[in-house]
Amino acid sequence: QVQLQQWGAGLLKPSETLSLTCAIYGGSFSGYYWSWIRQPLGKGPEWIGEINQSGSTHYNPSLKSRVTISVDTSKNQFSLKLSSVTAADTAVYYCAPSPGGMDVWGQGTTVTVSS
Amino acid sequence: QSVLTQPPSASGTPGQRVTISCSGSSSNIGSNYIYWYQQLPETAPKLLIYMTNQRPSGVPDRFSGSKSGTSASLAISGLRSEDEADYYCAAWDDSVNGYWMFGGGTKLTVL
Repeated sequence: QVQLQQWGAGLLKPSETLSLTCAIYGGSFSGYYWSWIRQPLGKGPEWIGEINQSGSTHYNPSLKSRVTISVDTSKNQFSLKLSSVTAADTAVYYCAPSPGGMDVWGQGTTVTVSS
Repeated sequence: QSVLTQPPSASGTPGQRVTISCSGSSSNIGSNYIYWYQQLPETAPKLLIYMTNQRPSGVPDRFSGSKSGTSASLAISGLRSEDEADYYCAAWDDSVNGYWMFGGGTKLTVL
């Protein structure tokens, strides 16, 4: 049974960089793209980007200039960095296989951007 | 950036059949599979339909998906109180090197 566990800072100041990591347990990277998805309170999910085992990435065009997703296959982990955060980046952030993969999600990390 | 358009709300009475629409364009729904998610309060989305009309193991056959042109639909038959939730469609968009997009969501109320 694949499980995802994510961690990272939950409170940031404007202009700081959001950093989250997701570890995959009970499975491996191969065969899927792995995504970061966020959901502001009361709104729908917003896809941030994805990465595969080889490090191939795709990003949401609206966030691409601020997003970096990386992978560490030796640790079965992938990470998200979002730079220059503002209050608009406040949301619950999830890691999950990209749509079309398994239906398993990280526990979610509430990220609040406030001065 | 294009979006997938869903009605903000839908409703039905127990036992009824309801449908939720998702409208896109030729670069997303028109040329790729659709995915539907159900989200209950305070939980992560749960996959209901994949590859437009396939149900994951454990999802009741009351849920079905379809697509026509640049629009997709989720149908729920035999509506039950526990179906009250938010529903989201998702699809890959082929433009701008490719990216996933989600619909804005439909809040389903069981009256």
